[in-house]
Amino acid sequence: LAKTTQPISMDSYEGQEVNITCSHNNIATNDYITWYQQFPSQGPRFIIQGYKTKVTNEVASLFIPADRKSSTLSLPRVSLSDTAVYYCLVGAWGNNRLAFGKGNQVVVIP
Amino acid sequence: GAVVSQHPSRVICKSGTSVKIECRSLDFQATTMFWYRQFPKQSLMLMATSNEGSKATYEQGVEKDKFLINHASLTLSTLTVTSAHPEDSSFYICSARGGSQDTQYFGPGTRLTVL
Repeated sequence: LAKTTQPISMDSYEGQEVNITCSHNNIATNDYITWYQQFPSQGPRFIIQGYKTKVTNEVASLFIPADRKSSTLSLPRVSLSDTAVYYCLVGAWGNNRLAFGKGNQVVVIP
Repeated sequence: GAVVSQHPSRVICKSGTSVKIECRSLDFQATTMFWYRQFPKQSLMLMATSNEGSKATYEQGVEKDKFLINHASLTLSTLTVTSAHPEDSSFYICSARGGSQDTQYFGPGTRLTVL
């Protein structure tokens, strides 16, 4: 299973754009990058998934450089309710097994 | 879309008893479901992969006779913790693969406390 590395924690002020990085140096050609958000005592919530360049949905954007060895999740104008642990995972399309790393605890400050 | 439910959300049982947790994909069919456990302040750990109609595949170190998994239909998988002990107390989370993104969608989790 491809391994990912994320900063342990980060703080951000309410209303700011937050960029959360993830390293996945050993990503394979057929791996996709998926991001989840988890609140305490809840299951992870799917945020966004991508393969290359940029993907955007109604809640976030995902930036993937050409070498795909890293990715950045961008949350526009965060609110206090965005305080959560964010996980980035890589896995092949059709490969079901995902390995969760330690995640990034994001704390939004008023 | 892509909603996954778990039942029960919380269970307390005595040591030595068995507990069954259900995982359902409510609005999509999932040929593959997964079971994870999560201890406080830790990340999710994959326990097993469950495919409809076949035996589950367990991760290394997970006892298949202790954690019985059944995936009887495309929308239901169950995890039974047999002869539970206090060290089995944990947060158990299931996921189902499918939906519009064909990715894993997670249930809300089940908090198991073994006394």
